[in-house]
Amino acid sequence: DSGVTQTPKHLITATGQRVTLRCSPRSGDLSVYWYQQSLDQGLQFLIQYYNGEERAKGNILERFSAQQFPDLHSELNLSSLELGDSALYFCASSVQGDYGYTFGSGTRLTVV
Amino acid sequence: GESVGLHLPTLSVQEGDNSIINCAYSNSASDYFIWYKQESGKGPQFIIDIRSNMDKRQGQRVTVLLNKTVKHLSLQIAATQPGDSAVYFCAEKESGGSNYKLTFGKGTLLTVNP
Repeated sequence: DSGVTQTPKHLITATGQRVTLRCSPRSGDLSVYWYQQSLDQGLQFLIQYYNGEERAKGNILERFSAQQFPDLHSELNLSSLELGDSALYFCASSVQGDYGYTFGSGTRLTVV
Repeated sequence: GESVGLHLPTLSVQEGDNSIINCAYSNSASDYFIWYKQESGKGPQFIIDIRSNMDKRQGQRVTVLLNKTVKHLSLQIAATQPGDSAVYFCAEKESGGSNYKLTFGKGTLLTVNP
């Protein structure tokens, strides 16, 4: 157990639907990062939050959004889902000044 | 390009041999590098890191070498074991700024034969 908790582990949904992925960072970590991992891409950075504020943005689609709450957990919202959104979505966390990430075990999203 | 599970660079070694996994990075402004291991069905796991003011760092059975001149990073695993079979990613962080975004390479699949 890495200390980073992601739920759900698996999610199957239909095209056009909306889902929410949840991440609880490791205790004491202020930064949360979301990454997408698909078969034809490596780990693609989506977005970073630090202590509730958006800090960096990657190639995140407009259909996707995220937020970090006062208790530091984060949610990634994916809407108008397409078949190509099927992937593993990872959350990672770190403390300020600690460059190493700790990853969760991921959420496997399947869009049918 | 390579991808996880498809068209991924692969390295196959015999148990007990040493393994060397290579990574080329493109951003000369990167000042921090990490190697991650990802086993099937799991999230990436931190192995070892190195800062740009160093050219070598050793851990338990692993060594990371950094050559900034040619922007090359390598991971050496000594006495490779079946449990080392996984996909290995290098990651880099650009210096400066207040975010800690890591950019990951495509990964290398290491298979250890008993």
